Amino acid sequence: AQSVAQPEDQVNVAEGNPLTVKCTYSVSGNPYLFWYVQYPNRGLQFLLKYITGDNLVKGSYGFEAEFNKSQTSFHLKKPSALVSDSALYFCAVRDTNTGGFKTIFGAGTRLFVKA
Amino acid sequence: DAMVIQNPRYQVTQFGKPVTLSCSQTLNHNVMYWYQQKSSQAPKLLFHYYDKDFNNEADTPDNFQSRRPNTSFCFLDIRSPGLGDAAMYLCATSRTSGSYEQYFGPGTRLTVT
Repeated sequence: AQSVAQPEDQVNVAEGNPLTVKCTYSVSGNPYLFWYVQYPNRGLQFLLKYITGDNLVKGSYGFEAEFNKSQTSFHLKKPSALVSDSALYFCAVRDTNTGGFKTIFGAGTRLFVKA
Repeated sequence: DAMVIQNPRYQVTQFGKPVTLSCSQTLNHNVMYWYQQKSSQAPKLLFHYYDKDFNNEADTPDNFQSRRPNTSFCFLDIRSPGLGDAAMYLCATSRTSGSYEQYFGPGTRLTVT
């Protein structure tokens, strides 16, 4: 079965420090991987995606993610965290078993950036 | 700017009183989704449309219905809301080719009294 795991419910980091939000996946075939961010009382916002090509993917707001096929991971990273990055982050994978229109979301990781 | 719009942003309804939530999009995407999200959990897919082709999730209660009269609009009808239906309802769209990332509206927070 296809799945996404975010092992940390919460990540705390000081402003200016690098941040990592972890994600591992299990899919059949080539993975289509995504990160979304959700601010309070808002919908999810697409951050970045990995389809093919370079393992390091750059996205919005200075975020990037590293695809690691051998470890089946797709960790979200940012070199220098901002207080405004505090939000709920979801890793997701395209569900190729259902024709491709559905997305499987991880449980989410809440990021707190302390000033 | 192209976007996904949801109205209203906040909706209060009484137990058992039907309610309709609306979603519109200017992205001209073929696929539209409705999700239910509770307490910062992962969004739970209720159903999706590929054009007019309706696809219901197996565990979506019969109390939830949807209509898509045209490409731009999609509605979520809750026929008899219960207290357990209080949640954030998210509408999203995606293309039918490429990478399939989804574009979300701001959500409608439903309160059932």
